[in-house]
Amino acid sequence: SQQGEEDPQALSIQEGENATMNCSYKTSINNLQWYRQNSGRGLVHLILIRSNEREKHSGRLRVTLDTSKKSSSLLITASRAADTASYFCATDVGGGADGLTFGKGTHLIIQP
Amino acid sequence: AAGVIQSPRHLIKEKRETATLKCYPIPRHDTVYWYQQGPGQDPQFLISFYEKMQSDKGSIPDRFSAQQFSDYHSELNMSSLELGDSALYFCASSLGLGGNTEAFFGQGTRLTVV
Repeated sequence: SQQGEEDPQALSIQEGENATMNCSYKTSINNLQWYRQNSGRGLVHLILIRSNEREKHSGRLRVTLDTSKKSSSLLITASRAADTASYFCATDVGGGADGLTFGKGTHLIIQP
Repeated sequence: AAGVIQSPRHLIKEKRETATLKCYPIPRHDTVYWYQQGPGQDPQFLISFYEKMQSDKGSIPDRFSAQQFSDYHSELNMSSLELGDSALYFCASSLGLGGNTEAFFGQGTRLTVV
């Protein structure tokens, strides 16, 4: 089963609104990362939050991490049409180059 | 700044053929990861290398093999290709192992098996 699961699977909002995506995971982690992927394109790293951090900001992005609930959220404020993409959370359990475990992703559509 | 380079960007192969995907990490990065992303799926970790040695193995089929060379570039070799191998294959690189090291992803190689 997937380490990270995101909801909603798809989200459609109007430009200017805020978009919130959630991610849940199962095991203890070293850090959690959020990525954006435009259709069929590469993965773009958005933000990394460490297991001892609760909240992090980067521009219009705000990420929270609740290790007790094993969940994270990504908030995009004042959305723009260019934010239309799939957003994945990925967990790093640490301990060597064991790779990231990605969630299923949320497909975000920003309506102009 | 230099990014992770993958080649080729697109590849079409027939069933049962062999494919080789290449990854050139960011200079001085010593760790390489390979991921497979099927259509509409999330990326799945295949295998990783640190300092030219295999570090960890994920859901990589036995038909696939990979290695990291002395210049730190990596190749993913895929034999006896099947239709289900059609996917985007990403390579990522990082400096050092584990911790909170950020992995940088390439643009991917789109493999189509016909």
